[in-house]
Amino acid sequence: GQQLNQSPQSMFIQEGEDVSMNCTSSSIFNTWLWYKQDPGEGPVLLIALYKAGELTSNGRLTAQFGITRKDSFLNISASIPSDVGIYFCAGPPSRGSNYKLTFGKGTLLTVNP
Amino acid sequence: DGGITQSPKYLFRKEGQNVTLSCEQNLNHDAMYWYRQDPGQGLRLIYYSQIVNDFQKGDIAEGYSVSREKKESFPLTVTSAQKNPTAFYLCASTPRGRIYGYTFGSGTRLTVV
Repeated sequence: GQQLNQSPQSMFIQEGEDVSMNCTSSSIFNTWLWYKQDPGEGPVLLIALYKAGELTSNGRLTAQFGITRKDSFLNISASIPSDVGIYFCAGPPSRGSNYKLTFGKGTLLTVNP
Repeated sequence: DGGITQSPKYLFRKEGQNVTLSCEQNLNHDAMYWYRQDPGQGLRLIYYSQIVNDFQKGDIAEGYSVSREKKESFPLTVTSAQKNPTAFYLCASTPRGRIYGYTFGSGTRLTVV
């Protein structure tokens, strides 16, 4: 099946720093989703992107749908300790499969107070 | 409040035994999913169901079985044929055709002892 490559695999940052992570695919995606998973819990949707070039914000989070449709980026500004967790990108694997998601392997974020 | 409930949170199984993980939702969602999560591996799809009495294999269905007798319930059985069952299992649901509406449960951590 299609794969999503996320980078970096993990990040260790100081509170207050900005964070950037990205997700790439070898094929075109029509939708990009970004989820956050707190330790021991299920993922929660942060941002959904539907159009190439789209830039969407949710508080300190900003995500972009790459113009090639093969990548997406998530930025977190002024990180705080509660930003700790695993961040996943996800999308439908092919046109017509809009009920089934493929997930990246995640970026583990650690924030030092 | 509407939501998706997984039980138990922690489960221990002896080798050679089958075990069933529960997933119940009261969101009136049509589609339900089971994912397996291993450290550094992201989320991998085991089974999914779009309607009652119908389900399809995901990417790693071997050693697992499911049923969908009611819209609200989608239990997952981990059989003795699953060679490496220790993992974190996540159930999700969504209104059919609305991938951005994925709602996850809080997960079940299965450990084989």
